[in-house]
Amino acid sequence: AQKVTQAQTEISVVEKEDVTLDCVYETRDTTYYLFWYKQPPSGELVFLIRRNSFDEQNEISGRYSWNFQKSTSSFNFTITASQVVDSAVYFCALSAYTGTASKLTFGTGTRLQVTL
Amino acid sequence: GAVVSQHPSRVICKSGTSVKIECRSLDFQATTMFWYRQFPKKSLMLMATSNEGSKATYEQGVEKDKFLINHASLTLSTLTVTSAHPEDSSFYICSASGSGSPYNEQFFGPGTRLTVL
Repeated sequence: AQKVTQAQTEISVVEKEDVTLDCVYETRDTTYYLFWYKQPPSGELVFLIRRNSFDEQNEISGRYSWNFQKSTSSFNFTITASQVVDSAVYFCALSAYTGTASKLTFGTGTRLQVTL
Repeated sequence: GAVVSQHPSRVICKSGTSVKIECRSLDFQATTMFWYRQFPKKSLMLMATSNEGSKATYEQGVEKDKFLINHASLTLSTLTVTSAHPEDSSFYICSASGSGSPYNEQFFGPGTRLTVL
């Protein structure tokens, strides 16, 4: 069975602060994908990143960066110099690596509130 | 990127009525579509997986007679909530994946907010 844990239910930061959202996962699969999605108040899911289990390189995209550590089954997400527009619920998700579409198991989400 | 639409975006209905939600892939052929449900301030929970031309596979605890899923074409899947009750009020989101998606690329629709009075 797959499981994704996002222990932080809600985080509040002041604009320009850095913030890290934690994600810990469990899976019996040796190969798998990890994802992060952003869900703004409108409800639509915005894809942020996909990482396969073969690739443990950290990734940076603008103010966003991701730290994948297979040894601790974690895939943490850091926003540098946060902005009000970053306020949203962020979901970490996991899927099997089957070569075809397979279901996503989502964490419970972390609500990020960025204030001025 | 690929576009997935959902219709309607919002629906309010009376208890006991049935509601149909459409999920369309606009610019690609979706061999697999997923239906998720999200209660307020909760996570997304997979309801069912549907492959074009096949019966949907439902997750444990999801009533297949209540949530009818049809995936009759490569661009359209429908979810019908039959005899809806207030506890069915939720945000329903579909995602679609094409046959040429080796990285389990799923494209999400904008969601449908169902309110049952």
